[in-house]
Amino acid sequence: DQQVKQNSPSLSVQEGRISILNCDYTNSMFDYFLWYKKYPAEGPTFLISISSIKDKNEDGRFTVFLNKSAKHLSLHIVPSQPGDSAVYFCAASSQAGTALIFGKGTTLSVSS
Amino acid sequence: SAVISQKPSRDICQRGTSLTIQCQVDSQVTMMFWYRQQPGQSLTLIATANQGSEATYESGFVIDKFPISRPNLTFSTLTVSNMSPEDSSIYLCSVEETTDLFYNEQFFGPGTRLTVL
Repeated sequence: DQQVKQNSPSLSVQEGRISILNCDYTNSMFDYFLWYKKYPAEGPTFLISISSIKDKNEDGRFTVFLNKSAKHLSLHIVPSQPGDSAVYFCAASSQAGTALIFGKGTTLSVSS
Repeated sequence: SAVISQKPSRDICQRGTSLTIQCQVDSQVTMMFWYRQQPGQSLTLIATANQGSEATYESGFVIDKFPISRPNLTFSTLTVSNMSPEDSSIYLCSVEETTDLFYNEQFFGPGTRLTVL
């Protein structure tokens, strides 16, 4: 049973527009959420995170929103750039020092 | 963040053989993790390796199949033993660093792409 779900395997967006990647989770014990970006032949790269005490965290073009009641988080990329084309993984953990539980990833394609 | 390297970057192996994957970090870290990403799947934790203690394996993974060494705070190895085609995956090591007052971040190596024929 998947505890972290990314229901959209792929997303295509035009350059300059907003990309919204979604993630749902089932374990109410999760209190820390992360987004990773992965290019082919590379390991995942940490992008942005949010703890359960917040509902929004922003870093440049990237914003993560957390809706604890809906057990849903989303990553917004504005404006999207062709270099953002990659696989994006959502991950969650219940406390520091424990393993991350990953979703299956969403492949984002940004066309110019 | 820590710089993590893995060797080999990729390999093609025959079934029944074993492969040892090395993970080197440029700084001392307490916790290291080994993950597997099978084709089309998410990253799945194999085990947690802390220096000075036995690795802790997740459900579905056993030491006989995936022995792990952690001889010091900058290095770890994962061996995939008696390989079968189902072991074809990307294997990644990660380390945990404290970047926030309450939480630690995990940073990943580039991965080892293993194909078993």
